[in-house]
Amino acid sequence: GAVVSQHPSWVICKSGTSVKIECRSLDFQATTMFWYRQFPKQSLMLMATSNEGSKATYEQGVEKDKFLINHASLTLSTLTVTSAHPEDSSFYICSASPTGLREKLFFGSGTQLSVL
Amino acid sequence: AQSVTQLDSHVSVSEGTPVLLRCNYSSSYSPSLFWYVQHPNKGLQLLLKYTSAATLVKGINGFEAEFKKSETSFHLTKPSAHMSDAAEYFCVVRGNTGGFKTIFGAGTRLFVKA
Repeated sequence: GAVVSQHPSWVICKSGTSVKIECRSLDFQATTMFWYRQFPKQSLMLMATSNEGSKATYEQGVEKDKFLINHASLTLSTLTVTSAHPEDSSFYICSASPTGLREKLFFGSGTQLSVL
Repeated sequence: AQSVTQLDSHVSVSEGTPVLLRCNYSSSYSPSLFWYVQHPNKGLQLLLKYTSAATLVKGINGFEAEFKKSETSFHLTKPSAHMSDAAEYFCVVRGNTGGFKTIFGAGTRLFVKA
């Protein structure tokens, strides 16, 4: 089946640094990818919709200058957490839909970010 | 606009007894509906999905769900719980137009007692 690779699976960083998370569709092209974050014992919350070749659409309350999303190719979307702070510590997960098969949705394995 | 409500934050059952996890949704258009399971420290796993075909959907590990449009519900059931079913379950609604936005429910923690 289709695979979405997310890297890294976990990362620890110092407060004030930036962290980049990659989401790759390995065997299909994805015009649209989604980014979520999950706080401990809570549900996944949609952060933004990433569209190849255009600006991402952010959900209300998500700081677009804080969470930079780039979808430069049909197989790669990146989420950069800029000037990370401890409150940004969370589980981030991406999902992707094959172009032309938007009813299909595949998830990455997630990235656990810990900001010290 | 879409929304999804999982009616129970946690459910506790004894091993071998039936499981019922409740989910109600709202959507402007005919949505696709999914149930995902998340075991501790693991990623999401798709249990089953409804995409406007048969209203009774069978998934993996003996789970099934019935789409009831009149009740706007998509409850997840299993005839007999197993200890390995203990996990967090998410009901998910996805629009079939526009941005195909995917919204997760708050989740239901399933506890299975021996």
